[in-house]
Amino acid sequence: KNQVEQSPQSLIILEGKNCTLQCNYTVSPFSNLRWYKQDTGRGPVSLTIMTFSENTKSNGRYTATLDADTKQSSLHITASQLSDSASYICVVSAAGGSYIPTFGRGTSLIVHP
Amino acid sequence: DTAVSQTPKYLVTQMGNDKSIKCEQNLGHDTMYWYKQDSKKFLKIMFSYNNKELIINETVPNRFSPKSPDKAHLNLHINSLELGDSAVYFCASSQVATQGYTEAFFGQGTRLTVV
Repeated sequence: KNQVEQSPQSLIILEGKNCTLQCNYTVSPFSNLRWYKQDTGRGPVSLTIMTFSENTKSNGRYTATLDADTKQSSLHITASQLSDSASYICVVSAAGGSYIPTFGRGTSLIVHP
Repeated sequence: DTAVSQTPKYLVTQMGNDKSIKCEQNLGHDTMYWYKQDSKKFLKIMFSYNNKELIINETVPNRFSPKSPDKAHLNLHINSLELGDSAVYFCASSQVATQGYTEAFFGQGTRLTVV
């Protein structure tokens, strides 16, 4: 069964600090992994997407890594800002068929001033 | 110039009623989706249409019926609403589905409350 597990479930950090969110998956065969940011009351917005051959991808202060061997990904946020407070969702898609994505439950990040 | 817009944003209705949620995208995408996000923030795909044709139909009660009049619109009709249908429903669109899950753009969500 395809699964995506994220940790921690929630995280509180001070503004300016760095943090790392984790995503482990069992989706197979792997097609791609995406990190989304979902602000409260809004729809998810894509941050990064990585395929099998990519092991790192950056988008501003967000850097995602992928280890396809261990089936792990991380999202590192540098110099956090108050606007980073949101839910971060890891989504993994399997290759073949209809590419139905499997969503993680998300990590809720709160950045305090 | 909203890319994916859904209406209404909030919907409160009684059990047993029938309701519809509308979705429109102006991105020229081929594929549209409906997702359900439960109270624990878990997003789960319900349906996907590619060029007005149903390509993904997850295990969803047949009280839920998607309708795509054209590739820019995907509406969700729900019959005989139940308390457990209360959730936030998101519409999304992407360029292609058959070549992998490319970037999906989400609407703002419709918060459905069944009382």
